[in-house]
Amino acid sequence: QVQLQESGPGLVKPSQTLSLTCSVSGDSISRGRHYWSWIRQHPVKGLEWLGFIYYSGTTYYNPSLKSRVTMSVDTSNNHFSLRLNSVTAADTAVYYCARAPMTTVTTVNFDPWGQGTLVTVSS
Amino acid sequence: QSVLTQPPSVSAAPGQKVTISCSGSDSNIGNSYVSWYQQLPGTAPKLLIYDNNKRPSGIPDRFSGSKSGTSATLGITGLQTGDEADYFCGTWDRGLSAVVFGGGTKLTVL
Repeated sequence: QVQLQESGPGLVKPSQTLSLTCSVSGDSISRGRHYWSWIRQHPVKGLEWLGFIYYSGTTYYNPSLKSRVTMSVDTSNNHFSLRLNSVTAADTAVYYCARAPMTTVTTVNFDPWGQGTLVTVSS
Repeated sequence: QSVLTQPPSVSAAPGQKVTISCSGSDSNIGNSYVSWYQQLPGTAPKLLIYDNNKRPSGIPDRFSGSKSGTSATLGITGLQTGDEADYFCGTWDRGLSAVVFGGGTKLTVL
């Protein structure tokens, strides 16, 4: 059974960098069969896709956040990471990592998801 | 304001059927496959439907999906109190070059 688990600080100060890691068990990122993604959910429900990363390090970022987002992958430790810089209160959200079993972007879906981690941006 | 439009809430009695709509445009639903997610209270979203109408292993056939033009629909039959959750649609938007989601629909089983 594939499981994903997010980890990282729950509180980040404005203007600083949010850093999260997603540890994967039950599947190997290096198999190259899936993309790996970050999605966040703002307090009032809405889901926002942040981007994908492939085992090779190829990334696809949401253009609305592209200038602030960096994703990386560590196949040796089977995890991938998110960095979001220059955060503001608007970045307060539950952050999820998810596996994306897709052949092309038009078939994208997310399964499974991690349990999510709340990140609050506040001084 | 979400790119995909869903009704904020729907309700029905146990045992009944409900449908949840997801409206988009040629830029997204009209040219991509739709997936649906169930988010039970306090939990992460879970994939219910992918590629418009396919169910992952373990998802009961009470859940179904369809797509026509620039809209998609999630159907749930034989409603149970355990189906009370938020439901989201998602797809790729070629104009935005991004995955987009609906704003979510809260299902209440009366």
